[in-house]
Amino acid sequence: QLQLQESGPGLVKPAETLSLTCTISGGSISSNNYCWGWVRQPPGKGLELIGSIYYSGSTYYDPSLESRVTISADTSRNQFSLKLSSVTAADTAVYYCARQACADYIWVEFYYFDYWGQGTLVTVSS
Amino acid sequence: EIVLTQSPGTLSLSPGERATLSCRASQSVSRGYLGWYQQKPGQAPRLLIYGASSRATGIPDRFSGSGSGTDFTLTINRLEPEDFAVYYCQQYGSSPLTFGGGTKVEIK
Repeated sequence: QLQLQESGPGLVKPAETLSLTCTISGGSISSNNYCWGWVRQPPGKGLELIGSIYYSGSTYYDPSLESRVTISADTSRNQFSLKLSSVTAADTAVYYCARQACADYIWVEFYYFDYWGQGTLVTVSS
Repeated sequence: EIVLTQSPGTLSLSPGERATLSCRASQSVSRGYLGWYQQKPGQAPRLLIYGASSRATGIPDRFSGSGSGTDFTLTINRLEPEDFAVYYCQQYGSSPLTFGGGTKVEIK
């Protein structure tokens, strides 16, 4: 049974970098046709896609966050990570990691999310 | 960017009734690449439907998806108590991928 677990600080100061890691168990980050992504949800609001990565290194970032986001994968540890720089209070949210169906054609196409972690609340405050 | 508008914002129904949720796209969703998720309070979203009409693994057959182009529907037949939740649609037919704002299905 695939399980995803987010880890990282629950409190980040404004202007600093938010860093989270997702540990995958019961599956491999190097699986063909599966990507690994981050989705966040501000308190009381809807879902916001942050970005995703394929084990080959191909990434997708939402245009609204692209200038501040880096997603990386560590195949040896079966983990992937999120870094979001220059955070403000607007980045306060529950952050979910998730497995994403995708297809590796000429380029990687990113699809829907079929397994999710439980989520972790990150608060941006001084 | 494809904007997904979900309606109604809130749907008040009784157990046993049918729920019909709408997701309307500002442009045609390529290849019908649309998914639906269910989210209960304090929980992560759960994939219900992908490809507009394919049920995800383990999803009961009272959940069904339909539609194409710009208009998509999630139907829940015979609402069970555990079905009262928020539902989101997501399109992945074109970049950037986008989510709808959600429909809350509440007990009447």
